[in-house]
Amino acid sequence: AQSVTQLDSQVPVFEEAPVELRCNYSSSVSVYLFWYVQYPNQGLQLLLKYLSGSTLVKGINGFEAEFNKSQTSFHLRKPSVHISDTAEYFCAVTRPTGGTSYGKLSFGQGTILTVHP
Amino acid sequence: ETGVTQTPRHLVMGMTNKKSLKCEQHLGHNAMYWYKQSAKKPLELMFVYNFKEQTENNSVPSRFSPECPNSSHLFLHLHTLQPEDSALYLCASSQGGAKNIQYFGAGTRLSVL
Repeated sequence: AQSVTQLDSQVPVFEEAPVELRCNYSSSVSVYLFWYVQYPNQGLQLLLKYLSGSTLVKGINGFEAEFNKSQTSFHLRKPSVHISDTAEYFCAVTRPTGGTSYGKLSFGQGTILTVHP
Repeated sequence: ETGVTQTPRHLVMGMTNKKSLKCEQHLGHNAMYWYKQSAKKPLELMFVYNFKEQTENNSVPSRFSPECPNSSHLFLHLHTLQPEDSALYLCASSQGGAKNIQYFGAGTRLSVL
C-alpha cells in the first residue's frame, strides 16, 4: 500500500517570498501524485498532478512540483507567494489502475500555508 | 466550479433528526466517494461507489447510510448522529481507469447538536 508524509504541518511565509511544501511518499509500485489546495470552508481543489513524463509539473496559480523517484518526494514550490495563497495543502498518492476500476487516494496530513503581509 | 455539486452547504441537526446530504457530478464519471474531514484529523474515506455498486465501506457506523441511484448522484442519509459526527463531508468523483483523478465538491459542513 502507498502512503504520504507531509513534513511540515504549518509553514508561515511573507508575501512575495518563495515557498516549498514538502511531501514524501512510500510505495513499492509506480504511483500517481497530486497536490490539492483547500481554502477555508471549501472543498479540495486539484492544484497539479504527476502521472508520467516530465518530472517537473506545473499547476494552477503559479505552483509547480517536482517528482523525484530516487528520493520518493514530490515537493510543491512557488517562487513568489501572495496573501491569497493562504490555505491548507494536501499531497496525495494513488497507484495506476486498469480498466474502469478506481484507485484509492492516500492523503497526507496537510500543510497550512500562511502568507503574511 | 469543479463539476461536483454538494447540497446543502451547511446543516445543523439534532441527534434524533434524519437528514440527507446530496452530491451530483456533471463530469460523466463512474466512481463516487464520500469523505469525512474532521478538525486536526486526516481525510477519512467513508464509502466508494463504482458504477453504482458499493465497493468500499471503511467500517463506517450504520447511522451513516449511503445511496447511489445512478453514476451521477450520491446521497448520504444520516440518522441518530452523535456530536462527534460534526465535520465537513466531502464528495468526490473520478473516471476510474489508469488516470484516476478525483474531483471534489465544496463539502457540507455538518453540526450535530
